[in-house]
Parts: sequence; C-alpha cells; structure tokens
Amino acid sequence: NAGVMQNPRHLVRRRGQEARLRCSPMKGHSHVYWYRQLPEEGLKFMVYLQKENIIDESGMPKERFSAEFPKEGPSILRIQQVVRGDSAAYFCASSSATGRHGYTFGSGTRLTVV
Amino acid sequence: DAKTTQPTSMDCAEGRAANLPCNHSTISGNEYVYWYRQIHSQGPQYIIHGLKNNETNEMASLIITEDRKSSTLILPHATLRDTAVYYCIAITYGQNFVFGPGTRLSVLP
Repeated sequence: NAGVMQNPRHLVRRRGQEARLRCSPMKGHSHVYWYRQLPEEGLKFMVYLQKENIIDESGMPKERFSAEFPKEGPSILRIQQVVRGDSAAYFCASSSATGRHGYTFGSGTRLTVV
Repeated sequence: DAKTTQPTSMDCAEGRAANLPCNHSTISGNEYVYWYRQIHSQGPQYIIHGLKNNETNEMASLIITEDRKSSTLILPHATLRDTAVYYCIAITYGQNFVFGPGTRLSVLP
C-alpha cells in the first residue's frame, strides 16, 4: 500500500541544465498537485493536474516550468535551464476525485542548483 | 477559501496536551477545517479534518466552536516527535489547499 512516491529524493543540477522530478500518486488517486518550498519559507502551490489535463497552473512560473500527468506513468515536473533560485524542495501530493480525505504528500525532491 | 489565522509559535512540555488554536471567522457553510503538520524537511502529513462536529482520531482531537469561527487542535500527550509546523486550512472539497505560515510547535523535554 505505497503512498505517494517521488524520485529522485535529491537532485543536483548545474545552472542551465534541465531538472525532471517524478511523482507517482497513491493507488486509486487520480489528482496530482505540485508544491514548492524554498528554504525557510512556506509551501507554495504550483499546479494541479488530472490524467492528461492541467486543471490549475496558477502557481507555476510563466517560463521554464512545465508539468504533465500522462495517461500512463508518473506525473513529471520539468524545469528547463535551471537557475540557483530554483533550489528548493518540491512536494507532490495526490487525492481521490472527491478530495474528501485531503491530500497525501510525498517525501519531496530536494533540488540543488550549483 | 476562508482565511485562517494561527499563532506564529508555541511551546509545550513533553507529556502535556498541546492545544493549537486557529481562527477562521469568515468560514462558509461548506468549508471544512483541515489540519496538517510538517516535521522538519518532510512532506506535510494529514492529521484530521471536520465540518462542525468535534472529531477524534489516533493522532489528535479537533474541537470546532459552535459558530465555526475558530477551532483547536489537541495533541493529548505531546512528545518530542510532535515538534513541527502545524497548518490549519479551511477549504471546500475539490479546492486546492493553500498553506499559510502555520504554527511552529516546539515540544520541550
């Protein structure tokens, strides 16, 4: 009965490279959410996806960031041409269609841009 | 979503009850009160939620006032492992969770 699985746990990228963060939701969950937490700051909503659809991307930076949740496979958060300011913990959460029991969060991916 | 207000920080002695307050004076009739916590650098963890009745589970109790304008999360016997940031969120089903700064609870030996 695995929870939300995120990988990698830690990711180091040089400035200008691409970062790909993966999230497999809990079994039976069809909704995925991505949050970012900068050092010593709170959790900020980025994007909400259902299978093959982006429902709300109001928290996503306009450039370099994209997210997908394909019909098969995990959700991917992609950051192109990373900069030092992208260094943060990225958390994925999933919920059932109703969201009645709230979100279940993964352990996060800690991205460090050097 | 209703705005919630929580104290920035609180201390609690180990073994005592920790009572964490939350104000949500603008809560609407179909908004639930959810509590999450985040232990240092881990993903947020669901604790409990309720609409208007008091709720209890293996982790905590949630007391919601009759007018629903405030609530209290109770950890009955706090341990050092309960040291975390606690978030109170008022939300309707299907909306995105928005996390505020929360309350930083320090359980002291």
